[in-house]
Amino acid sequence: QSALTQPASVSGSPGQSITISCTGSSSDVGGHNYVSWYQHHPGKAPKLLIYDVGNRPSGVSNRFSGSKSGNTASLTISGLQAEDEADYHCSSYASRAPYVFGTGTKVTVL
Amino acid sequence: EVQLVESGGGLVQPGGSLRLSCAASGFTFSSDWMSWVRQAPGKGLEWVANIKEDGSVKYYVDSLKGRFTISRDNAENSLYLQINSLRGDDTAVYYCAREQGRGRLGYWGQGTLVIVSS
Repeated sequence: QSALTQPASVSGSPGQSITISCTGSSSDVGGHNYVSWYQHHPGKAPKLLIYDVGNRPSGVSNRFSGSKSGNTASLTISGLQAEDEADYHCSSYASRAPYVFGTGTKVTVL
Repeated sequence: EVQLVESGGGLVQPGGSLRLSCAASGFTFSSDWMSWVRQAPGKGLEWVANIKEDGSVKYYVDSLKGRFTISRDNAENSLYLQINSLRGDDTAVYYCAREQGRGRLGYWGQGTLVIVSS
């Protein structure tokens, strides 16, 4: 299964905003509004941040927001904090599988 | 509080088998689809399989069909993954996750590490 493409790493200073892209195709990201984003601190359980492109589960900070344009979804983290340093993974429902994940992005807070 | 606790991982020789377990608590286990997801060292997440609430429907990633079997015991609030003919590229942390709608894995466990090596 072809993974969705994410940048390997993104960095920013505290207080800044960063955006992580997630590029797929018309058969996954572009064809469905079932894009999710997960935050994963190594050794811990991954945490759902965003679902259905731009919805936040209860308890998730509004500093995290999601959007989509064509075959590319994006996660924006505003007001970057030290605790945001983690790996971030996108996923999309696809015609070939219920979940296709991205390649993962390591976020570093400078 | 929702809790998912995986177990059953370890070091296994190529060609061997393992049965991973996931103990669920804090929610009505029999009401949700469940998934297994894995992450190989240095790689991204890979969805492996999922199973319907009553166990009647199962889906697998195409590349793993035939070696992996997902199952559940709703009376025991447990999810399982049987892996046969293990290969080196099966080395990964295996996570169980609770589905909460199409394309949404709402809760995850901390994972269990499987190492395939001689």
